[in-house]
Amino acid sequence: KQEVTQIPAALSVPEGENLVLNCSFTDSAIYNLQWFRQDPGKGLTSLLLIQSSQREQTSGRLNASLDKSSGRSTLYIAASQPGDSATYLCAVLGGGSEKLVFGKGTKLTVNP
Amino acid sequence: DAMVIQNPRYQVTQFGKPVTLSCSQTLNHNVMYWYQQKSSQAPKLLFHYYDKDFNNEADTPDNFQSRRPNTSFCFLDIRSPGLGDAAMYLCATSGRQDPEVRHFGDGTRLSIL
Repeated sequence: KQEVTQIPAALSVPEGENLVLNCSFTDSAIYNLQWFRQDPGKGLTSLLLIQSSQREQTSGRLNASLDKSSGRSTLYIAASQPGDSATYLCAVLGGGSEKLVFGKGTKLTVNP
Repeated sequence: DAMVIQNPRYQVTQFGKPVTLSCSQTLNHNVMYWYQQKSSQAPKLLFHYYDKDFNNEADTPDNFQSRRPNTSFCFLDIRSPGLGDAAMYLCATSGRQDPEVRHFGDGTRLSIL
């Protein structure tokens, strides 16, 4: 059974700092890994999707990496802003499965 | 804009009183999913429809049912809500052109009195 873990559960940083969020998964047989953002009381917004054959994806100030063999991914946020404050969720789509398995998320607070 | 719409955004019901949550989509996607997300927890897949085929997760309680009358709409019915069913319910879709991408609605937050 696939399990996804995100560390830390919460993170508070000053504005302008670069930061890394971590995600690990137990079964390396995945189609892809996705990072989502969730604002309080809202649904999920897709940020980045990395296919299992890829090593990283970039979108603006966000960079996500994937090391499938070790079951790890990181989300790097450059020059953080207060508007980046949200919960970031990592999810993996298993090989041969429709099931997207989520971690519990990292709650990020960027202080002005 | 094409999107996934959930109604209502907030729903309050009484313990044991049936409640229905609604999801509609303008993306013409063939797959629709329902997730339950409790506070500070990971979203948990309850079930999904692949076209008209219903796929239930093994650990989804019998109290939860779903209907998909057409491509655009999908409903989540909770027959006898308990206090433990208070959560955010998220609807998502995926389409044939990009089946690995999930498009989420804004969710319905369900409270039980």
